Amino acid sequence: AQTVTQSQPEMSVQEAETVTLSCTYDTSESDYYLFWYKQPPSRQMILVIRQEAYKQQNATENRFSVNFQKAAKSFSLKISDSQLGDAAMYFCAYRSAYNQGGKLIFGQGTELSVKP
Amino acid sequence: DAGITQSPRHKVTETGTPVTLRCHQTENHRYMYWYRQDPGHGLRLIHYSYGVKDTDKGEVSDGYSVSRSKTEDFLLTLESATSSQTSVYFCAISESVGIANTGELFFGEGSRLTVL
Repeated sequence: AQTVTQSQPEMSVQEAETVTLSCTYDTSESDYYLFWYKQPPSRQMILVIRQEAYKQQNATENRFSVNFQKAAKSFSLKISDSQLGDAAMYFCAYRSAYNQGGKLIFGQGTELSVKP
Repeated sequence: DAGITQSPRHKVTETGTPVTLRCHQTENHRYMYWYRQDPGHGLRLIHYSYGVKDTDKGEVSDGYSVSRSKTEDFLLTLESATSSQTSVYFCAISESVGIANTGELFFGEGSRLTVL
């Protein structure tokens, strides 16, 4: 069974600085997708970025980028120029590319605070 | 935003009473999921559905049942609620799964259930 681990329950960053959130996963599959979701205090789950395992190039979305290390099974999220609105819970998630119902497996989450 | 509505959004009930949470979608997506969110555990899958009357268990299915009689509705039932089922419950939907589709999950706004 696949597992996802986020070892940082809480992180803090100064506004305008850069922060990196860590995520590791365990799988025996070769094809899969990885996601970062953001959950602000409103509780809404918002997709931040996705990565296809067969792509070597790291995904980027504006100030958000990932460092995908397939051999190390690592998938970290880098937030550049942090803003107050980035404060939220961040979840890393795994999804098999083989039809296992399309379900996501989530990590425990990292609570990010942004200091003005 | 994906059309997903969860009801009720908040509920307080007593141990031993039955509870039903409803997820309604207007996207005509085939796949629907119920997750629970607890501190330190992230989101964990309870049950999911891959079509009308087609459901399967997730990792924390004990004490829960589901039904899907129409594409748009996915019901989660706690036959006899316990305090350990106090949680925030999320419904999610996905259009399709498989290698050809990244299968992003779209989430409802969550339902907070308190069992006294």
